[in-house]
Amino acid sequence: KQEVTQIPAALSVPEGENLVLNCSFTDSAIYNLQWFRQDPGKGLTSLLLIQSSQREQTSGRLNASLDKSSGRSTLYIAASQPGDSATYLCAVEHDNFNKFYFGSGTKLNVKP
Amino acid sequence: GAGVSQTPSNKVTEKGKYVELRCDPISGHTALYWYRQSLGQGPEFLIYFQGTGAADDSGLPNDRFFAVRPEGSVSTLKIQRTERGDSAVYLCASSLNQNSPLHFGNGTRLTVT
Repeated sequence: KQEVTQIPAALSVPEGENLVLNCSFTDSAIYNLQWFRQDPGKGLTSLLLIQSSQREQTSGRLNASLDKSSGRSTLYIAASQPGDSATYLCAVEHDNFNKFYFGSGTKLNVKP
Repeated sequence: GAGVSQTPSNKVTEKGKYVELRCDPISGHTALYWYRQSLGQGPEFLIYFQGTGAADDSGLPNDRFFAVRPEGSVSTLKIQRTERGDSAVYLCASSLNQNSPLHFGNGTRLTVT
């Protein structure tokens, strides 16, 4: 079974700092990987989707990378803002199984 | 356009009762997923529909749980003889195809007393 781990579990940074969130997975036979944001009491919002053949995706201040062979992905957030405060989750879709395995998330707090 | 809609947003029920949770996906999305999320954890897969059929129900914890999607759009998750351990947030998601992002609803918070 695919195991997804996210480190750190929680992170508190001052506004303006660049930061990196980490995601690791045990089975490299993945179809794609997605990063999500979850605000308290809300559902998940997709931030970036990286297909297994891709190395990275960028959207605004967010950049996600994927190293399938080592089972790792990182989410880089540039110039963090208080509005970025949320829980960030990564999910891997197993090859051809349409089943997503989620990590437990990194809870980010950006202090003004 | 409208996102994924889940009703009710909150449901409190007594142990042993039957509950139904509804999901209305984004129009045109053929893939529909149910997940369950406990406090401080990531969502856990329950079932995946492609069209009207359950393509993968391997995440359903036991036979008290059942889900349908009779016309390929709205889905209902049904839980019989609820137990306190069923308390969680039940999330529904839909996607256009396998290369598209998942779109989640806000979830139904189920509390079994």
